[in-house]
Amino acid sequence: GAVVSQHPSRVICKSGTSVKIECRSLDFQATTMFWYRQFPKQSLMLMATSNEGSKATYEQGVEKDKFLINHASLTLSTLTVTSAHPEDSSFYICSAKTWGQQNTEAFFGQGTRLTVV
Amino acid sequence: AQKITQTQPGMFVQEKEAVTLDCTYDTSDPSYGLFWYKQPSSGEMIFLIYQGSYDQQNATEGRYSLNFQKARKSANLVISASQLGDSAMYFCAMREASMNTDKLIFGTGTRLQVFP
Repeated sequence: GAVVSQHPSRVICKSGTSVKIECRSLDFQATTMFWYRQFPKQSLMLMATSNEGSKATYEQGVEKDKFLINHASLTLSTLTVTSAHPEDSSFYICSAKTWGQQNTEAFFGQGTRLTVV
Repeated sequence: AQKITQTQPGMFVQEKEAVTLDCTYDTSDPSYGLFWYKQPSSGEMIFLIYQGSYDQQNATEGRYSLNFQKARKSANLVISASQLGDSAMYFCAMREASMNTDKLIFGTGTRLQVFP
């Protein structure tokens, strides 16, 4: 299957700082990337959908100014958690796919475990 | 609105036995796709199997099969000959075609534990 690489896998940051998480599709062009958040022992909650070259579409309740998403190329999307606070500590995971392939799975990155201290 | 329900928070199965993980869904869209993912403790999401709403036959992938009952809106995952490495969280997910989006909606997951 296609490979999606997410970096870093773990990050610890101080409260008030910003953290950038990268999601790369290594062997295909990802027209669409998705960012999910997962609290311990809970399901994946979609935060936003980003299409290459356009603004991200955020799900209801997700602060776009806090979770900045950039999808500048067909192989890279970034999620920046700005002014991070302890409540932002979570597992963030991205997925990527090519538009229009409805019957194919979205390929997921390995996830990033963010701890804000 | 679409919804995915997994009613089993946890399941136990003995090695080499089969196990069924339940998933029901709710949608008014006639065209949709159903997915199962495995999430081990390391966190990555591993795609297991896909079933399209118009597929006539139940999907199978190796030891995984999907018991698709469209009228009941259920898409249960059957794992045959369980292995210790199957211990993980399992998520059912749905994508609606008419939403003009590729986003997946996930269920709450089932934690499967395989014991020797």
